[in-house]
Amino acid sequence: GQNIDQPTEMTATEGAIVQINCTYQTSGFNGLFWYQQHAGEAPTFLSYNVLDGLEEKGRFSSFLSRSKGYSYLLLKELQMKDSASYLCAVRDSNYQLIWGAGTKLIIKP
Amino acid sequence: TAGITQAPTSQILAAGRSMTLRCTQDMRHNAMYWYRQDLGLGLRLIHYSNTAGTTGKGEVPDGYSVSRANTDDFPLTLASAVPSQTSVYFCASSDGTEREQFFGPGTRLTVL
Repeated sequence: GQNIDQPTEMTATEGAIVQINCTYQTSGFNGLFWYQQHAGEAPTFLSYNVLDGLEEKGRFSSFLSRSKGYSYLLLKELQMKDSASYLCAVRDSNYQLIWGAGTKLIIKP
Repeated sequence: TAGITQAPTSQILAAGRSMTLRCTQDMRHNAMYWYRQDLGLGLRLIHYSNTAGTTGKGEVPDGYSVSRANTDDFPLTLASAVPSQTSVYFCASSDGTEREQFFGPGTRLTVL
């Protein structure tokens, strides 16, 4: 079967750095996405990785290792507005997205 | 630009009744998707459409139907609602299957 695993919840301090991990087992791989979802709102696109390595976009970076079936999202200089759920999704061989259950990130002052 | 709109925002529905959830996008995206999101689970694909006039089944299609008569609209119909269809429903679109998906604001449906 297909499976995406992420921690259910993480807590971090404002101004700090946090890394959210995602491991996957899917039928085929055509890219990995990270989305942010604030409570009661729609998911919004953060990043996309299809090749191994690090993609940096401002305070957010995403890393991919295809051989290990592993990705992480790194958030730097945490702000209170970063409190949200972070969703990992893998595009499979049918070009459909398989989604993890999301990691709820709680930021404390 | 409105992006993607969904209607209604929320709805309480009696079991056995039918209902259509509406989704409209103004980005001229070819691909559109319907997902349901339940607590503790990832988004699950119900149906999708890669282009106007075509539709396909996702992971959890039973009890749902869709149509794609034009590029902009992608309605989702529940023919006879059951309590297990209580969920938050998101419509999404993308400019091709290789691009990121953009999501509508969601419809919160409760079936009693």
